Amino acid sequence: QKEVEQDPGPLSVPEGAIVSLNCTYSNSAFQYFMWYRQYSRKGPELLMYTYSSGNKEDGRFTAQVDKSSKYISLFIRDSQPSDSATYLCAMGGGYQKVTFGIGTKLQVIP
Amino acid sequence: DGGITQSPKYLFRKEGQNVTLSCEQNLNHDAMYWYRQDPGQGLRLIYYSQIVNDFQKGDIAEGYSVSREKKESFPLTVTSAQKNPTAFYLCASSIRAGGQLFQTDTQYFGPGTRLTVL
Repeated sequence: QKEVEQDPGPLSVPEGAIVSLNCTYSNSAFQYFMWYRQYSRKGPELLMYTYSSGNKEDGRFTAQVDKSSKYISLFIRDSQPSDSATYLCAMGGGYQKVTFGIGTKLQVIP
Repeated sequence: DGGITQSPKYLFRKEGQNVTLSCEQNLNHDAMYWYRQDPGQGLRLIYYSQIVNDFQKGDIAEGYSVSREKKESFPLTVTSAQKNPTAFYLCASSIRAGGQLFQTDTQYFGPGTRLTVL
């Protein structure tokens, strides 16, 4: 079992839809959680950072962490074609190195 | 503007050649990293460095070498010993926090270098 599991997709949604992206993890030592967006042939760009459980909102993006279930989510409201990218979850904490999911490819169709 | 630069964007290597990928940051970050990204495998850590003149192997260091002579620079050499070097290489950096490298380790990435073996 991988430390971080993420469905690679692809996930196709119509423009304006609410998108839900998820990761599960097995290492209870993880304390902080991140979401990166990666456009094709580009480096990942940090979208959201959260520490411990709870929700964090930034514009159309909401990151949610449930440490009891070892489950994190990224919600995108009013999705746009420009949101089409691969979304990587990442997590770390304490002496644990940052571990990345394999990424979910999202396509928002106009 | 602060950020991380990588060069070249595309690199072609012949069999048996060593090649060096450049990574420079002006974020004043202490820690720097090299990752390899392959389809379906996500990011895999090659090497990382917490401080000048110090670096550690990551999960897949075989066939690679690094140096950290300056805080701003962390070049990666892909040697001929790396049997499958074709991949997308990403450099990242982070502020070192509290002496525990991975305690708060938000990493910022460069644009990447795509290496192809001919």
